[in-house]
Amino acid sequence: DIVMTQSPDSLAVSLGERATINCKSSQSVFFTSHNKNSLAWYQQKPGQPPKLLIYGASARESGVPDRFSGSESGTDFTLTISSLQAEDVAVYYCQQYHSVPLTFGGGTKVEIK
Amino acid sequence: QVHLQQSGPGLVKPSQTLLLTCAISGDSVSSNSAAWNWIRQSPSRGLEWLGRTYYRSKWYNDYAVSVKSRITINPDTSKNQFSLQLNSVTPEDTAVYYCAGGFALRWGQGTLVTVSS
Repeated sequence: DIVMTQSPDSLAVSLGERATINCKSSQSVFFTSHNKNSLAWYQQKPGQPPKLLIYGASARESGVPDRFSGSESGTDFTLTISSLQAEDVAVYYCQQYHSVPLTFGGGTKVEIK
Repeated sequence: QVHLQQSGPGLVKPSQTLLLTCAISGDSVSSNSAAWNWIRQSPSRGLEWLGRTYYRSKWYNDYAVSVKSRITINPDTSKNQFSLQLNSVTPEDTAVYYCAGGFALRWGQGTLVTVSS
């Protein structure tokens, strides 16, 4: 199984400041035929299902604000919130869909400092 | 855009069968480019993928090793939906269960299933 390791477990950021979340896969999740990494990011607020933010490591889902961005370097992936808003308080997860079983990171809780 | 609507009981007795259904709108369960998943979430296990069904000229299923002996995911083309059947449940199966479509996932609303007598 591909293990997804997220860091940090939690972070507190001031409103308007940058938040950075990291995710590392235990092996490559690059999908050769699509020329993309099979890596997604989700936002989950209490009592709600996870919401897709980013797929293909860096493509923003329709309707997601452009302050959310994804980047990649080999097996290292980053979700950046460029200017944290109050509504961004949530838990964020990475997930690989390169192979089954689909696997998720442990989550990063983002709070306001 | 795909929308998923889950239905099924929130309370199941130990040793009995958990059965949930996920109705799809905005896509087809028989799509040759989609996959239809069940995932659960609990404080102890986090997000745990359980399995999926998909159609590529014929039907396929993949299941997590942890539940492989107890799980069945079935498509229902007449109703454009798919179902989760989990047999011989124990209190450890208590979780919020989600259906989700795709590979990068779009999720249903979730169902809290409690296994208790």
